[in-house]
Amino acid sequence: EVQLVESGGGLVQPGGSLRLSCAASGFIFGSSNMNWVRQAPGKGLEWVSYISSGSSTTYYADSVKGRFTSSRDNAKNSLYLQMNSLRDEDTAVYYCVRDWAYWGQGTLVTVSS
Amino acid sequence: EIVLTQSPATLSLSPGERATLSCRASQSVSSYLAWYQQKPGQAPRLLMYDASNRATGIPARFSGSGFGTDFTLTISSLEPEDFAVYYCQQRSNWPLTFGPGTKVDIK
Repeated sequence: EVQLVESGGGLVQPGGSLRLSCAASGFIFGSSNMNWVRQAPGKGLEWVSYISSGSSTTYYADSVKGRFTSSRDNAKNSLYLQMNSLRDEDTAVYYCVRDWAYWGQGTLVTVSS
Repeated sequence: EIVLTQSPATLSLSPGERATLSCRASQSVSSYLAWYQQKPGQAPRLLMYDASNRATGIPARFSGSGFGTDFTLTISSLEPEDFAVYYCQQRSNWPLTFGPGTKVDIK
């Protein structure tokens, strides 16, 4: 069974940093391209980032470019999102996604003073 | 960036009725259009990919059509569990984008 479990969310002040993790199981993680998608409270879905299976290619939404970095450790079946210079508008539930058919349960990031 | 517009914003229907949801792209996305269903407190669920292909386990009452800039998701006969928010997504160009969603609620 495919499982994606995000962690690392929490309350952080504007300008702060946070690192999200996504633990993957039930499939060959090292062969899968992965994405991060977020959803602000009561709002729609926003794609955040893509990382290829071997980490050679990454893409970011303009809203996070230069502040967020996706990475992965295929030996640990883990995906990461390093978020720096956080803003109020980054407050959202962050999902890791495989193949668009498999989504984690999400982790809530709240940016507030 | 490709902008997706969904209409209507809200669709109020009764169980058993047919639902027709629209998604329009600001430029051609070929057939690289997906549909998702989301219920409160849950992650989105992939319904359709490449405009007209049902994802694994999706009932046949869901169908998708369209190409280029105009797409439709049809639910032939609404079941109680189908009342939810539906999003379209284009995977033709980076950045990937989602539409704002259509809420299907009970009339």
